[in-house]
Amino acid sequence: KQEVTQIPAALSVPEGENLVLNCSFTDSAIYNLQWFRQDPGKGLTSLLLIQSSQREQTSGRLNASLDKSSGRSTLYIAASQPGDSATYLCAVKDRSYNTDKLIFGTGTRLQVFP
Amino acid sequence: DAGVIQSPRHEVTEMGQEVTLRCKPISGHDYLFWYRQTMMRGLELLIYFNNNVPIDDSGMPEDRFSAKMPNASFSTLKIQPSEPRDSAVYFCASSSPYRGYGYTFGSGTRLTVV
Repeated sequence: KQEVTQIPAALSVPEGENLVLNCSFTDSAIYNLQWFRQDPGKGLTSLLLIQSSQREQTSGRLNASLDKSSGRSTLYIAASQPGDSATYLCAVKDRSYNTDKLIFGTGTRLQVFP
Repeated sequence: DAGVIQSPRHEVTEMGQEVTLRCKPISGHDYLFWYRQTMMRGLELLIYFNNNVPIDDSGMPEDRFSAKMPNASFSTLKIQPSEPRDSAVYFCASSSPYRGYGYTFGSGTRLTVV
């Protein structure tokens, strides 16, 4: 059974720092991995989608890497800003014939202070 | 692209009443998912559809919950009768194999049962 873990659970940093959020999964047979952002009281916004054949994806100040063999993904946030404060969730889609669902981690709650 | 549209945004109802949540997926997406989010349990998959057919409803908590997808552009999640423990945020999401199975979430319905 696939399990997804995110470390740390919470992070508080001053503005301007470069950050790394970690996501690990137990079964390397994944179809893709997706990073989401959730603001308090809001829905989930997709940030980056990495297919199993890819090693990384970039969008602006965000870079996500994927290492299937070690069961890890990292989300790198460059030059953090207070507007980056949110909960970040990673989720994997198993490469399975009988399921199409995403399995979510518990999230990292990020606070960036001025 | 209007994204995934959910209604209502907020719902407050009395215990025992019927509640119906609605979702319009992104046009062309053939997968639709219903999730529930609480502080205690995080994101839970309730049910998902492929081409309007329910594929996995193992996450539906009990018979009080039912979901339908009468056509490709509309789905409902019904709770009858509602109970206070059903209070949560309910999210709908859609995806497509032609978009790499990336999920797009709606803004959610915050349900409060008093």
